[in-house]
Amino acid sequence: AQKVTQAQTEISVVEKEDVTLDCVYETRDTTYYLFWYKQPPSGELVFLIRRNSFDEQNEISGRYSWNFQKSTSSFNFTITASQVVDSAVYFCALSEPVRNTGKLIFGQGTTLQVKP
Amino acid sequence: DSGVTQTPKHLITATGQRVTLRCSPRSGDLSVYWYQQSLDQGLQFLIQYYNGEERAKGNILERFSAQQFPDLHSELNLSSLELGDSALYFCASSVDSSRGDNEQFFGPGTRLTVL
Repeated sequence: AQKVTQAQTEISVVEKEDVTLDCVYETRDTTYYLFWYKQPPSGELVFLIRRNSFDEQNEISGRYSWNFQKSTSSFNFTITASQVVDSAVYFCALSEPVRNTGKLIFGQGTTLQVKP
Repeated sequence: DSGVTQTPKHLITATGQRVTLRCSPRSGDLSVYWYQQSLDQGLQFLIQYYNGEERAKGNILERFSAQQFPDLHSELNLSSLELGDSALYFCASSVDSSRGDNEQFFGPGTRLTVL
């Protein structure tokens, strides 16, 4: 069965600290896609990144970076020099196209609180 | 702004009632997804439509139904409402459906409160 686990329920850091959000997934498919979404206090879900299962290259976008490791089925998200505006709930999600659908399977989310 | 619109933003109703949530996808997107976010269940996929046809079903109750119209907007109908149906309902859209690499863009959600 497909499953996404975000073991960290809540993380609290002080501004400018680096923080890593963990994501572990389970799938039997060889082709799949992984996503991260951000849900700020206002409630909307904001797309952050997509990663293909056949592309293990890490990605950096400003203060955000993602580490994808197929060997450990993990897709971790690091925020460098965190800011108060990073406070949100972050969701990792899995999509499997082989069933002709792009439905997302979400983890339970990690609530990140960045204190000034 | 994702380009996906949902109405209404908030909905308060009583048990046993029926409500309709509406979603307009981004221009050009053919696929619409509905998700439910609740404290105990988290974010759960309900149902997906692609160009007017149902493509996938998740843990959607029989009391719930949805459809996608020719102009591609979608409606989620919730009937015989129970207290446990109180949740945030999201609509998302993407260009395609069969390719899982299409990122989904989410609307602002409809917060349903059943009293």
